[in-house]
Amino acid sequence: DTAVSQTPKYLVTQMGNDKSIKCEQNLGHDTMYWYKQDSKKFLKIMFSYNNKELIINETVPNRFSPKSPDKAHLNLHINSLELGDSAVYFCASSHLTASPFFGSGTRLTVV
Amino acid sequence: ILNVEQSPQSLHVQEGDSTNFTCSFPSSNFYALHWYRWETAKSPEALFVMTLNGDEKKKGRISATLNTKEGYSYLYIKGSQPEDSATYLCAFMAGNFGNEKLTFGTGTRLTIIP
Repeated sequence: DTAVSQTPKYLVTQMGNDKSIKCEQNLGHDTMYWYKQDSKKFLKIMFSYNNKELIINETVPNRFSPKSPDKAHLNLHINSLELGDSAVYFCASSHLTASPFFGSGTRLTVV
Repeated sequence: ILNVEQSPQSLHVQEGDSTNFTCSFPSSNFYALHWYRWETAKSPEALFVMTLNGDEKKKGRISATLNTKEGYSYLYIKGSQPEDSATYLCAFMAGNFGNEKLTFGTGTRLTIIP
């Protein structure tokens, strides 16, 4: 059983489209995150949710909107995709101050 | 902006040799340091969480030390094996934030030569 699962694994789409990436965790964690791995391979926090409440929203364009229907799910919706949005997006979850547990990533390519 | 640096960026080590690499982080407002192991095409896997100055953690042939006063942590691998090839990431957590403010370094890419 995968602890943190993201779908899709790969996403190729045209500029201007709207797309969503789904994330589910079965670990019973209260906190979920979205990270972006940028072109320099840095993992940067985008959003953090705790019990469906938004905790952190880093400097991310408004085109990115997270949605947490329940504490086991945190989906990422991206409007009007741009070339610069191409990256690998990682979902993660954690309990208290333990190390976040990561999903396997979604490679988004905008053409 | 928190500065978390890892060195070297990449490292080639002969199988059987031991190696170590460094993570530097801000020495003020420390809460915790996390180490991850990240194999290509997989997700980062947590190795250690370190919170106390002078702490040492061990998991098999991998161990880590922590110096919060000078702002560095070392990761050691004893008797390297091909399966140790991966990128090793550290992540700093400041004292006034929770996990959601983990700041990652760029990693040390380790390649073990058989």
